[in-house]
Amino acid sequence: DVKVTQSSRYLVKRTGEKVFLECVQDMDHENMFWYRQDPGLGLRLIYFSYDVKMKEKGDIPEGYSVSREKKERFSLILESASTNQTSMYLCASRQAGTGIHEQYFGPGTRLTVT
Amino acid sequence: AQSVTQPDIHITVSEGASLELRCNYSYGATPYLFWYVQSPGQGLQLLLKYFSGDTLVQGIKGFEAEFKRSQSSFNLRKPSVHWSDAAEYFCAVGGSGTASKLTFGTGTRLQVTL
Repeated sequence: DVKVTQSSRYLVKRTGEKVFLECVQDMDHENMFWYRQDPGLGLRLIYFSYDVKMKEKGDIPEGYSVSREKKERFSLILESASTNQTSMYLCASRQAGTGIHEQYFGPGTRLTVT
Repeated sequence: AQSVTQPDIHITVSEGASLELRCNYSYGATPYLFWYVQSPGQGLQLLLKYFSGDTLVQGIKGFEAEFKRSQSSFNLRKPSVHWSDAAEYFCAVGGSGTASKLTFGTGTRLQVTL
């Protein structure tokens, strides 16, 4: 069974802290994605990586960075957390190549910044 | 730029009634289209996907969707809703290629009354 796991389901951090959200997939997928989900706004893409050490900005990259040192792991970093980064964060992975490939999602991390 | 519109924020149906969730998309080329479902506290699960071929697509849990190019729509349907279908539903559009991204709609929350 395919699996995307995220390091925490719930996280509470203080303003100004450096925050790491980890995502691991066991499907040998080339592509990985980080989204944030907010009520009424749906899912918005923060960053994605189409291979190891490759990254590309999504629609809302400000205040975030990412790291992909190994194929199975994609980390989202909040350099200095702010209250407007309180949100649900979803990680996804996808097989690359031709054909229609869906994204597989992790369970999400609900981050609260106080 | 690609976009997805889900005009219904919230829909309530009775158990056993039929369901149709609307999705309109904008995409400059032939789109890949997806419907995902998110149960409370969970990540997103793929219901169905479409790229080409028969415009009526069957998915899991008894759902189907119809692609109408002339209307730029990809509406999700189910003949008889079950109480367990209560969830949030997201339509998404994307393209092919290594660096292709998905754009999600804002979601429709389905409530099922008994």
